[in-house]
Amino acid sequence: EADIYQTPRYLVIGTGKKITLECSQTMGHDKMYWYQQDPGMELHLIHYSYGVNSTEKGDLSSESTVSRIRTEHFPLTLESARPSHTSQYLCASLSSGANVLTFGAGSRLTVL
Amino acid sequence: SQKIEQNSEALNIQEGKTATLTCNYTNYSPAYLQWYRQDPGRGPVFLLLIRENEKEKRKERLKVTFDTTLKQSLFHITASQPADSATYLCARPMDSNYQLIWGAGTKLIIKP
Repeated sequence: EADIYQTPRYLVIGTGKKITLECSQTMGHDKMYWYQQDPGMELHLIHYSYGVNSTEKGDLSSESTVSRIRTEHFPLTLESARPSHTSQYLCASLSSGANVLTFGAGSRLTVL
Repeated sequence: SQKIEQNSEALNIQEGKTATLTCNYTNYSPAYLQWYRQDPGRGPVFLLLIRENEKEKRKERLKVTFDTTLKQSLFHITASQPADSATYLCARPMDSNYQLIWGAGTKLIIKP
């Protein structure tokens, strides 16, 4: 069973609100990722981190920001949510020497 | 640019039959391909990885092939069951081995 946890699982908020999606893993993995996925579409990488204090933007432009102060924690923040941010956000981690991603259950965000 | 293409149409299979899903890639052959299962509202779960020098990989009722001539991987589920109904995703590594390019997935429906 996956040891990567995302909260909240579902969130409905109004435009302009600030939100933080939490992601924590207990596996000690150094590499962590945030993906955005719309129904029937492929996963798009929006942020990644290869270790503490290391964060990079992915291929998909995103107005969100991330931080990696601790190995196990990789939160994603939207300063001012808009309806275009409505999507499923998936957090994942990868252990050194392995090529397989472990995903959390996802956070479904709806911005009204 | 590198792409992964999967059949976007849902695949309907009768219970007990073999389901076969296709993953086509562009450009050079990747070092490996991965297959994941994704249930509605959940994150993907890793199933199998097949390396470029492996023709076939098996795990219980699952079998994956890798054909570098056709630039294609096939994913088979034998003796299919309704519980196998899900979306199946194919992924290949980017130039950076720590990031993946994803297909949009094929939805598999196993009818009793």
